[in-house]
Amino acid sequence: GEDVEQSLFLSVREGDSSVINCTYTDSSSTYLYWYKQEPGAGLQLLTYIFSNMDMKQDQRLTVLLNKKDKHLSLRIADTQTGDSAIYFCAETHQTGANNLFFGTGTRLTVIP
Amino acid sequence: DVKVTQSSRYLVKRTGEKVFLECVQDMDHENMFWYRQDPGLGLRLIYFSYDVKMKEKGDIPEGYSVSREKKERFSLILESASTNQTSMYLCASSLSRPSMAGGYYNEQFFGPGTRLTVL
Repeated sequence: GEDVEQSLFLSVREGDSSVINCTYTDSSSTYLYWYKQEPGAGLQLLTYIFSNMDMKQDQRLTVLLNKKDKHLSLRIADTQTGDSAIYFCAETHQTGANNLFFGTGTRLTVIP
Repeated sequence: DVKVTQSSRYLVKRTGEKVFLECVQDMDHENMFWYRQDPGLGLRLIYFSYDVKMKEKGDIPEGYSVSREKKERFSLILESASTNQTSMYLCASSLSRPSMAGGYYNEQFFGPGTRLTVL
């Protein structure tokens, strides 16, 4: 698969903002996704952004996309203990119609 | 709601055994996928299928095979399990929707995972 990179770990205090970063390599990416995996569970779609947008906000979540630098970030405002999970970014390519390419995942730990 | 179910949450097998992992989705999705998840490596695609009886190799197909006899069911087979196949296995399904702005929207829906231990 293509290289989608993320930091492996992030720790934040409850109430602070969390920023999870992702870099991707394929400039043909059309949609980029953030998935959340809670302990012992599968992945669930959190949010997504189309490549012609540079920002998307959904309640406590803000997605920023810098296409020039191929950089995607997910900001979680007022982070809660229930946000502790692994977060994966993923991209889909214009040519690979059905596949997603996932990053390594960032384990977010929220400290009470 | 889309539901993707996997036959077992936990499985323990011995080296050399043949192992079947079953996945069923109820949303009439064409596409189905098998991944394995290992710490620090993220999700790695093993096999995927675009249609009944069709299969494509992913990034790490060695030691695995798949079967898709019915649209809703996608099976992963370990012909002779080995200890390095101890992992979390995740199944997913999707329905690719072409976007008017170009490209495809490919949300994948995941099952809860099967944690396989090979002794």
